[in-house]
Amino acid sequence: AQSVTQLGSHVSVSEGALVLLRCNYSSSVPPYLFWYVQYPNQGLQLLLKYTSAATLVKGINGFEAEFKKSETSFHLTKPSAHMSDAAEYFCAVYTGGFKTIFGAGTRLFVKA
Amino acid sequence: NAGVTQTPKFQVLKTGQSMTLQCAQDMNHNSMYWYRQDPGMGLRLIYYSASEGTTDKGEVPNGYNVSRLNKREFSLRLESAAPSQTSVYFCASSEGHRGTMSTEAFFGQGTRLTVV
Repeated sequence: AQSVTQLGSHVSVSEGALVLLRCNYSSSVPPYLFWYVQYPNQGLQLLLKYTSAATLVKGINGFEAEFKKSETSFHLTKPSAHMSDAAEYFCAVYTGGFKTIFGAGTRLFVKA
Repeated sequence: NAGVTQTPKFQVLKTGQSMTLQCAQDMNHNSMYWYRQDPGMGLRLIYYSASEGTTDKGEVPNGYNVSRLNKREFSLRLESAAPSQTSVYFCASSEGHRGTMSTEAFFGQGTRLTVV
């Protein structure tokens, strides 16, 4: 069965430090993978998506993610955290038809 | 460009009451979805509508019904609310590329529902 695991429900970084949010997936078919961000009291919005065109995917706000098939991972990174990056981040895998499975989410805290 | 609009934003119900959550999108998307978000569980699909005139159950459909009123609107109804339905509800839409959800989903701002 397809699944998504996000390691760490909370991640705290200092402003200017590297952001690394981890996501591992299982899928029986070549996956479509997404990262969404949710700011407080808002809906989710797409950060980036992987659709097999390139393994390194660049998204909005300086985020990027690398698809590693051998590790079944799709970790999200940003070289330098900004206070405005504080939010909850969701990894998701499209599993076919109209089904997308979301991870449990990782809340990112950015310290001044 | 409003995107996906949900109403109401907040609601408190007593156990056993009914209500309908409304959702409308102005992007001419084929597919629409209702999710619920609970702490530590991500988003779980309640129902979806692949195209106008069709609806299907998702992962957690019990206690809910839906109506795809037209291409723009997709409503979620709780017939007899229970405390277990306390959650944040999100409506979403997508192009439904080649009959799938492989394209990105656009989300509304959510409805925070409390059942007491």
